Amino acid sequence: AQRVTQPEKLLSVFKGAPVELKCNYSYSGSPELFWYVQYSRQRLQLLLRHISRESIKGFTADLNKGETSFHLKKPFAQEEDSAMYYCALADYGNNRLAFGKGNQVVVIP
Amino acid sequence: KAGVTQTPRYLIKTRGQQVTLSCSPISGHRSVSWYQQTPGQGLQFLFEYFSETQRNKGNFPGRFSGRQFSNSRSEMNVSTLELGDSALYLCASDTGGAGTGELFFGEGSRLTVL
Repeated sequence: AQRVTQPEKLLSVFKGAPVELKCNYSYSGSPELFWYVQYSRQRLQLLLRHISRESIKGFTADLNKGETSFHLKKPFAQEEDSAMYYCALADYGNNRLAFGKGNQVVVIP
Repeated sequence: KAGVTQTPRYLIKTRGQQVTLSCSPISGHRSVSWYQQTPGQGLQFLFEYFSETQRNKGNFPGRFSGRQFSNSRSEMNVSTLELGDSALYLCASDTGGAGTGELFFGEGSRLTVL
């Protein structure tokens, strides 16, 4: 079954420290993965997708098919990065995005 | 263009009642998905509609139902409410199908069941 696992529920980091959010997936086909972000009092929105291979707001994520992972990284956390982050897997056969349970990131000034 | 609009934004119901939530997608978007968001379970897929047809349904009891109209607007209904149905219900739309990756979310309808 298609599944997305985000092991850490809450992550607290100091401003300027690196941040890494872990995401592992299980999928029988060729995976397409995404990170979504929800800032306080804002809508859930797309942060980045693996096929674009770009850095958004200093975040990058690399798809590792061997480890079935798509971890999100940023070398220097900023206070505005405090948010809820969800990893998602496109399940085209079932016309849905499968989301992980999310990571709450708190950046301490 | 206007984003995804969900109504009502907040509502309080008691156990046993039923509720209907509404979602207006972005103009031109024909796919509407519904998710239940809770602190413990994150985002759980409810169902997805495209051109008035339900294409997929998540693992929720039959008390949860939905429909889509010809103008792509969608409603979801929960009957015989239980305390555990308290959650934020999110609607999302996209152009061609929920599997394309970029979903545009509404602000959600926060349901509290007492």
